[in-house]
Amino acid sequence: KQEVTQIPAALSVPEGENLVLNCSFTDSAIYNLQWFRQDPGKGLTSLLLIQSSQREQTSGRLNASLDKSSGRSTLYIAASQPGDSATYLCAVAGNTGKLIFGQGTTLQVKP
Amino acid sequence: GAGVSQSPSNKVTEKGKDVELRCDPISGHTALYWYRQSLGQGLEFLIYFQGNSAPDKSGLPSDRFSAERTGGSVSTLTIQRTQQEDSAVYLCASSSGGSPSYNEQFFGPGTRLTVL
Repeated sequence: KQEVTQIPAALSVPEGENLVLNCSFTDSAIYNLQWFRQDPGKGLTSLLLIQSSQREQTSGRLNASLDKSSGRSTLYIAASQPGDSATYLCAVAGNTGKLIFGQGTTLQVKP
Repeated sequence: GAGVSQSPSNKVTEKGKDVELRCDPISGHTALYWYRQSLGQGLEFLIYFQGNSAPDKSGLPSDRFSAERTGGSVSTLTIQRTQQEDSAVYLCASSSGGSPSYNEQFFGPGTRLTVL
């Protein structure tokens, strides 16, 4: 059974810092990995999708990497801003596309 | 273009009543997913529809839960005889339904269900 773990559960940093969020999964037979952002009381916003054959994806200040064989992904946020404060969720997809989620990392960026 | 929409945004019901939650996927998306987000369990998959294929119901927690998708578009999740443990946020997502490798899912805002 696929299990997804995110570390740390919570993170507080001063504005401007670069930071890394970690995601690990137990079964390497994935088709893709998605990173999402969730603001309090809101739905999920897709940030990045990495196909199983890819090593990384970049969007603006975000960079996500994938090491499928070791069951790990990282989300790198450069020059963090208070507006980046949210919960970040990692999810892996099997052959039907249904997502298995981690518990999330709650990020607070202090001005 | 319009994203995934869900209604109602909030629903409060009494234990034992039936509820219906609605999801309107992104136009043209053939795949539709329901998930549940609760404090104790995090985000869990419930059910998946892909085109005209039989739905994958493997995540439904009990036979009180059912879902249908009419005309390959709008979906309704029904919970019969609601229990307090059904209280959660119910999220719907849709995707283009192509290869699972790049099957990016887009989520609606969710329906917050509270069972008293």
